[in-house]
Amino acid sequence: RKEVEQDPGPFNVPEGATVAFNCTYSNSASQSFFWYRQDCRKEPKLLMSVYSSGNEDGRFTAQLNRASQYISLLIRDSKLSDSATYLCVVVTGGFKTIFGAGTRLFVKA
Amino acid sequence: DTEVTQTPKHLVMGMTNKKSLKCEQHMGHRAMYWYKQKAKKPPELMFVYSYEKLSINESVPSRFSPECPNSSLLNLHLHALQPEDSALYLCASSQDWTGGNQPQHFGDGTRLSIL
Repeated sequence: RKEVEQDPGPFNVPEGATVAFNCTYSNSASQSFFWYRQDCRKEPKLLMSVYSSGNEDGRFTAQLNRASQYISLLIRDSKLSDSATYLCVVVTGGFKTIFGAGTRLFVKA
Repeated sequence: DTEVTQTPKHLVMGMTNKKSLKCEQHMGHRAMYWYKQKAKKPPELMFVYSYEKLSINESVPSRFSPECPNSSLLNLHLHALQPEDSALYLCASSQDWTGGNQPQHFGDGTRLSIL
């Protein structure tokens, strides 16, 4: 079993749609969780940190469920510019960082 | 613009060459990271420096040699690389680990090709 697993993609959605990504992790000692987005041939960029209480940033909502060891990302009112690969990131022991394989999102007009 | 600067942007080298990748940040971050990313794959952690000391080496072959001369700089020395080492090499930094949830900020990478 992979340490961090993500929904397989790609997701093809129309503009304005709501789309959700899930990610599970195997190490219950994991401490920090993030969502990054990566555009083709670019570096990963932080989208948001993920907290146990859940957090929202505009159209984006992230949730963490420690008991079930999964994190989620919800994107509302999808825009063409949201097309990218979304990577969940799990950090253990302060620094050991594992990326999920990524989920590709295509938003179409 | 990224606050983590990597040079060079592109590097082509032969298997017998010696070269170095450089990374610089001026955000006062005390943790710095090297990642390797192959096409259509996620970044894979290679090394982590914390307060200029090597904290993590993810069993990386010795032909990759990291160096952290000071808290703002991180180098990756390359020697006798193999064609399968061709990849995007990403540098990242974070404030430190204290308190958790310290996100990493990435440079835009060095695209390395081994002939």
